[in-house]
Amino acid sequence: AQSVTQLGSHVSVSEGALVLLRCNYSSSVPPYLFWYVQYPNQGLQLLLKYTTGATLVKGINGFEAEFKKSETSFHLTKPSAHMSDAAEYFCAVSRSLVGGYQKVTFGTGTKLQVIP
Amino acid sequence: DTAVSQTPKYLVTQMGNDKSIKCEQNLGHDTMYWYKQDSKKFLKIMFSYNNKELIINETVPNRFSPKSPDKAHLNLHINSLELGDSAVYFCASSQDWETVAGELFFGEGSRLTVL
Repeated sequence: AQSVTQLGSHVSVSEGALVLLRCNYSSSVPPYLFWYVQYPNQGLQLLLKYTTGATLVKGINGFEAEFKKSETSFHLTKPSAHMSDAAEYFCAVSRSLVGGYQKVTFGTGTKLQVIP
Repeated sequence: DTAVSQTPKYLVTQMGNDKSIKCEQNLGHDTMYWYKQDSKKFLKIMFSYNNKELIINETVPNRFSPKSPDKAHLNLHINSLELGDSAVYFCASSQDWETVAGELFFGEGSRLTVL
């Protein structure tokens, strides 16, 4: 079975400070990992994803994440928080199941608050 | 044009009623999904359709019945609504069901409140 654990349901940072949102995964096979962002009253949108190759993945809005197999982690970072980054962030893992279809499992989300 | 659109955006109804939520995508994708997001923001897949065929059916009460008239539309009908059905229901689509790292495109959600 695959799952993701997001450490910290709420994270607060000051504007301009480093953003670090933690995600650990468990998967019996090499995982495909994602970060999605959900702004208030909106659907989720993809920030970035890791499939294979380079372990440091860059996404939209200045976010990046590093896949660390030894730590089973895929933490999301941004060097300098902006007020517009305030949102809910979801880590997700995907893999193929019997029959070939993909199943995406989401973490419980981390709400990022940016303090002026 | 909105890529994945859902209607209605808000739905308030009494226990025992039947209601439907509609979803349409104009991305040309083959696969569509319904997700349920509860009050704690936990997001769980309910159903997935590929080109009008059901491919994922998670443990969901029989009161929930999805229907896909064509690959661009996926509707969700709920019978005998219960308090626990109150949630935000998201429709999503992806290019196909075989691309393991395929991006999901979400609608804005339909907030259902059962009184």
